[in-house]
Amino acid sequence: SQTIHQWPATLVQPVGSPLSLECTVEGTSNPNLYWYRQAAGRGLQLLFYSVGIGQISSEVPQNLSASRPQDRQFILSSKKLLLSDSGFYLCAWNLAEETQYFGPGTRLLVL
Amino acid sequence: RKEVEQDPGPFNVPEGATVAFNCTYSNSASQSFFWYRQDCRKEPKLLMSVYSSGNEDGRFTAQLNRASQYISLLIRDSKLSDSATYLCVVNGGSNYQLIWGAGTKLIIKP
Repeated sequence: SQTIHQWPATLVQPVGSPLSLECTVEGTSNPNLYWYRQAAGRGLQLLFYSVGIGQISSEVPQNLSASRPQDRQFILSSKKLLLSDSGFYLCAWNLAEETQYFGPGTRLLVL
Repeated sequence: RKEVEQDPGPFNVPEGATVAFNCTYSNSASQSFFWYRQDCRKEPKLLMSVYSSGNEDGRFTAQLNRASQYISLLIRDSKLSDSATYLCVVNGGSNYQLIWGAGTKLIIKP
């Protein structure tokens, strides 16, 4: 069966510090991978998606970036965090147009 | 107009009652529709897909109305464990883009 991992679960970072969140998927090959952010009381906002190694599409302009160095690894990064980057970051995967499945998420607080 | 709109609630419902909520979407080209459930501080989990003919899974029934561009979720004989936020999700017209509603919060009271 497929599983998706995210870490860390919780992160508190000062403004201006760098960020690296990692997501890995097991039990499948060549998945589509997604990074979402969910602000408190809001819907999910798609940040990036990837259909293959090295292929990244950005949905919103911002100070975040994503990379996919391996088939089942998706990384979300920032060089300098802003207060507005606080939120719940969710990684998801699917195959073709199937249902998306989510990792447990990382709760980020920027102070 | 938001692409996917939901009543944020909360809906406070006594245990055993039936509750229904709708979700409207703006893109008439959307082809895929889903209801997800999200517990507090947890990731969303698929509750059910919504098909043109409607579908039922136990106490849960989902319907799609293309003409009026809304989907609905009906929960019968509600349980305390049904308390959660229910997210409406609609395919955005491209293969990879899903548009998420902000969710409807449901609280089942004993």
